[in-house]
Amino acid sequence: SYKVTQAPSVSVSPGQTANITCSGDKLQYRYVCWYQQKPGQSPFLVIYQNNKRPSGIPERFSGSNFGNTATLTLSGTQSVDEADYYCQAWDSRIVAFGGGTKLTVL
Amino acid sequence: QVQLVESGGGVVQPGRSLRLSCAASGFTLTSNAMHWVRQAPGRGLDWVAVISYDGSFTDYVDSVKGRFTISRDISKNTVYLQMNSLSAEDTAVYYCAKAIYYDDRDFDSWGQGTLVTVSS
Repeated sequence: SYKVTQAPSVSVSPGQTANITCSGDKLQYRYVCWYQQKPGQSPFLVIYQNNKRPSGIPERFSGSNFGNTATLTLSGTQSVDEADYYCQAWDSRIVAFGGGTKLTVL
Repeated sequence: QVQLVESGGGVVQPGRSLRLSCAASGFTLTSNAMHWVRQAPGRGLDWVAVISYDGSFTDYVDSVKGRFTISRDISKNTVYLQMNSLSAEDTAVYYCAKAIYYDDRDFDSWGQGTLVTVSS
């Protein structure tokens, strides 16, 4: 089965840029989306089809997918962005979630 | 607006069965594929099953094939997950999730989840 990998944690200072990565074999040939999950809440889509933002998602959220790595970038990180972030790779046959990255804003 | 409401979770003994429901509103099931995703306590997300927007196709993660069945009732706009032969490894919060477009596999709406605990 297809697997994608994330670092367990990332720390960033308020106002700085946070990069959360997701790695998988030939990942660029699959779509990648990203979810934010805060404690006790359901996941929430912040990026889909590699780099598209759903309506209502701030412009500071952006995504890319090249080679074997997809990246979620938070520019000007705010304390409200502190959460777990999950990448998900998919195509017509697979759905694969990464293990999640805990973003700490300190 | 779109709303997904899961129900049917609870405590069940190993080997027994449980049926989860996901009542959808704000859209029709004939427009979007629907998925079940689970999250074990303190763990990450795991995809479980999908039913296509036209209902013609279903698929499952290997660990539940032959035990779980996804289905839907268009008249009730509700998706179901029948879970048989449950084991402790199935303990999780189960979310239903709506595909963004047709049979895409990214999810723009999630329910609040329903907790399934398999324990003797």
